[in-house]
Amino acid sequence: AQRVTQPEKLLSVFKGAPVELKCNYSYSGSPELFWYVQYSRQRLQLLLRHISRESIKGFTADLNKGETSFHLKKPFAQEEDSAMYYCALRWGSGGSNYKLTFGKGTLLTVNP
Amino acid sequence: NAGVTQTPKFQVLKTGQSMTLQCAQDMNHEYMSWYRQDPGMGLRLIHYSVGAGITDQGEVPNGYNVSRSTTEDFPLRLLSAAPSQTSVYFCASSRHLKRSYEQYFGPGTRLTVT
Repeated sequence: AQRVTQPEKLLSVFKGAPVELKCNYSYSGSPELFWYVQYSRQRLQLLLRHISRESIKGFTADLNKGETSFHLKKPFAQEEDSAMYYCALRWGSGGSNYKLTFGKGTLLTVNP
Repeated sequence: NAGVTQTPKFQVLKTGQSMTLQCAQDMNHEYMSWYRQDPGMGLRLIHYSVGAGITDQGEVPNGYNVSRSTTEDFPLRLLSAAPSQTSVYFCASSRHLKRSYEQYFGPGTRLTVT
C-alpha cells in the first residue's frame, strides 16, 4: 500500500543554518511527489513538485527512487520559513482515479 | 476569482446532529476533494470527485457523504456527528490528478462535536 512517512514531527533550527525535512514513500507504481506548506493562519499551498525540478524560496527536493525519498532542503533557513510542511504522494490506478496521500507533517521552527 | 471557498469557518455541533460543510470553486476544476486535518495525523482524504456526478471514497469516508451535482460545488455532509469527527476540514480542487497539477486548498472549517 502507498504510504508517506515524515519521521520528524518537529524540527528546530537557527536562522542561517541548513535545513532538511525528510520524506520517505512506499509505492509500487511510478511516484509523483510534492511538498505542501502551511504558514500560520494561511491556507495549505504547493511549495514544489518533483516533476518540475524547481527551486522555490530557496528550497529544493530531489526524488531518489533507490532510497524512496524526497527530502526537502534549504542551505540557509530564514525565520519566515517557519511553517508546517507536508510531503504528498500522487498515486492511482489509471484513468481519472488519482489521489494524494499526505505525510503527517513536520513543524519547522527557525529561531533568530 | 475567489479560488476555493468554504463555509462555515467554525461550527459547534452536538453529538447526533447533522450538518453540511460547503465548498465551492470558481476555477472550473474537475477534481475536488475533502480532507480532515488532525494533530499528529496529517491530512487524510475523506472523499473525492473527478467531475460532476462522480464521487469516490478516500481513506476515511465513514460518517460522511458527498455529492457533486455541479462542477463548482462539492458539499460534505455529516449524517450524525460524533466527537471523533472533531477536526479541521479542508476542501481542495485541481484541474485533475492525471498530471501533477497543483491542488488549491480552501481556508478550512474548524468543527467541534460535543
